[in-house]
Amino acid sequence: EPEVTQTPSHQVTQMGQEVILRCVPISNHLYFYWYRQILGQKVEFLVSFYNNEISEKSEIFDDQFSVERPDGSNFTLKIRSTKLEDSAMYFCASSPGTDNEKLFFGSGTQLSVL
Amino acid sequence: AQKVTQAQTEISVVEKEDVTLDCVYETRDTTYYLFWYKQPPSGELVFLIRRNSFDEQNEISGRYSWNFQKSTSSFNFTITASQVVDSAVYFCALPQDDMRFGAGTRLTVKP
Repeated sequence: EPEVTQTPSHQVTQMGQEVILRCVPISNHLYFYWYRQILGQKVEFLVSFYNNEISEKSEIFDDQFSVERPDGSNFTLKIRSTKLEDSAMYFCASSPGTDNEKLFFGSGTQLSVL
Repeated sequence: AQKVTQAQTEISVVEKEDVTLDCVYETRDTTYYLFWYKQPPSGELVFLIRRNSFDEQNEISGRYSWNFQKSTSSFNFTITASQVVDSAVYFCALPQDDMRFGAGTRLTVKP
């Protein structure tokens, strides 16, 4: 079965550094998402992306965050200047259609900000 | 606003017991979907089920069953004859332009 791929699986960075989390969604999917999960807490929506632009974003997704689909396959999340509280598991997801479709999740990138 | 409430933070059962995970939702939409996802200790999010608000029939898949009741805005999930491998966090979710997850219920099944 096709799957969403995320790299790296674990990233460690210093506070204030920029990080880019990478995702390769399923190839014929049209909607792409980023979620995060702070350890032991709920899965929180960050942003959704469709037709090469952000369709929705949450209050968490401030100016420090950006997303990009630089080519036909990759979907990236950039955090410009990381903070300690950005430490979390970041999940990428894609779906073939609208938000009422099942989301296919990647296995996540664990970001640790020191 | 749309929201999902999973009042049970943690549940612990002994293997072979049946267990029900509660999910109560709020929505103003007349047509909507509800989802359950499982997050095992390995961390990934695994899709379990999607239900359409038009279809209130209970669904059974092996040891898993779902009870959808619009009258009480609930979409509860029952595991029959639980097994240790069922230990995970289970999330109920309701799309609202994006998938909004409940806080999750951590299920521990002890041998």
